Formats: sequence, C-alpha cells, structure tokens
Amino acid sequence: AQSVTQPDIHITVSEGASLELRCNYSYGATPYLFWYVQSPGQGLQLLLKYFSGDTLVQGIKGFEAEFKRSQSSFNLRKPSVHWSDAAEYFCAVGAGGATNKLIFGTGTLLAVQP
Amino acid sequence: DAGITQSPRHKVTETGTPVTLRCHQTENHRYMYWYRQDPGHGLRLIHYSYGVKDTDKGEVSDGYSVSRSKTEDFLLTLESATSSQTSVYFCAISEPTGDSNQPQHFGDGTRLSIL
Repeated sequence: AQSVTQPDIHITVSEGASLELRCNYSYGATPYLFWYVQSPGQGLQLLLKYFSGDTLVQGIKGFEAEFKRSQSSFNLRKPSVHWSDAAEYFCAVGAGGATNKLIFGTGTLLAVQP
Repeated sequence: DAGITQSPRHKVTETGTPVTLRCHQTENHRYMYWYRQDPGHGLRLIHYSYGVKDTDKGEVSDGYSVSRSKTEDFLLTLESATSSQTSVYFCAISEPTGDSNQPQHFGDGTRLSIL
C-alpha cells in the first residue's frame, strides 16, 4: 500500500537560513508527488507537484523539491527562509487509478526564528 | 484560489446530535473529497465523490455519510456525533486529466467540537 513518511515533526530554522524538509514515500510505480503548505486556520495550498520528467521541480514562494527514485524521497528545499514561511508542510503521494486520491504524510511544523 | 466554500466554519454541538457540513464549489470539478485533520495523523480521507450521486468510502468512513445531489455541493453528515469526531474537516476538489493524478485544492476547513 502507498504511504508517506515525514520523519521530522517539528523543525526550527533561523530567518535567512536554508531549509530542507524530508519526505519518503512507498509506492510501487512512478509516483505522483505533491507538497502542500498550511498556515494556521487555513486550508492547504499547493506548493509544487511532480508527475514525470525533470526530477528537480520548482514551486511557488521560492520552494523546490527533488525527486530521487533510488531513495524514494521527495525533499522540499528553500535556500533562504523568511519569517512568513512558518507553517505546517505536508507531503502527499497520488494513490493512482481513476480516484485521484492522495495519501498524506503527518506533516512537519516549521518555526522560523528571527 | 479555487472556489471552494465550506460551511459552517466553526460549530460546537453535543454528543448524539446530527451534524451536516457543506462544501460548495464553483469550479465544476468532478471529484470532491472530505478529510479530517487531527494532530499526529495528517489528513485522512473520510469519503469522496466522483460524480453526482457517485460516492465511495475512504479510510475513516465509520460514523460518517455523504451525499452529492449536484456537481457543486458535497455534504458530510455525522448521524449521531461522538466526541471522537471532534476535528477539523476539510473539503477538497480535483479534476482528473487522463491517467495522471491531479492536485487537489482545499477549502478553509470547518472546526467541529463535540461536547
């Protein structure tokens, strides 16, 4: 069965520092992968998606993610974090088939220190 | 932002009462989903719909029912609410293209407290 693991429940970085959020997936075929961000009291906003092709994917707000099939990973990165990036981040994998269902990780809560 | 409206945004009710949450979309997307979000669990799928009157169960469907009589509306009903159903509920929509998974777009959620 498909699954997603986000090993870091909580991460704190200083403003201006680089960021990497980890995501590992389990899926038998070529996965469809997504990163979402959730600000307090809000719904989830799509940051970026990977379907196929180039393994380095650019998203909104200066985020990027790299798909590594050999490591079953899809880590999210940002070179310089801003205070407004403080939020919860969710990785998701498409369950395949016609249902368009997603399997979500448990999320990583990012805090940004001034 | 995708045109998704969830109502109510907040609700407090008592154990044993029926509760209905509404999701309304203006995007004419075929697929609609209900999730619940709880600390340490991420988002878990309750039910989803792949067309008018076409629905199916997700991973945590016990105690919930859904209905979709129009493309734009997807209702989630708790027939007899229990305290374990206290959660934040999110609606999402998507429009599949061919064989690939498309992103889902989310509403702002309903915070439901059952006392």
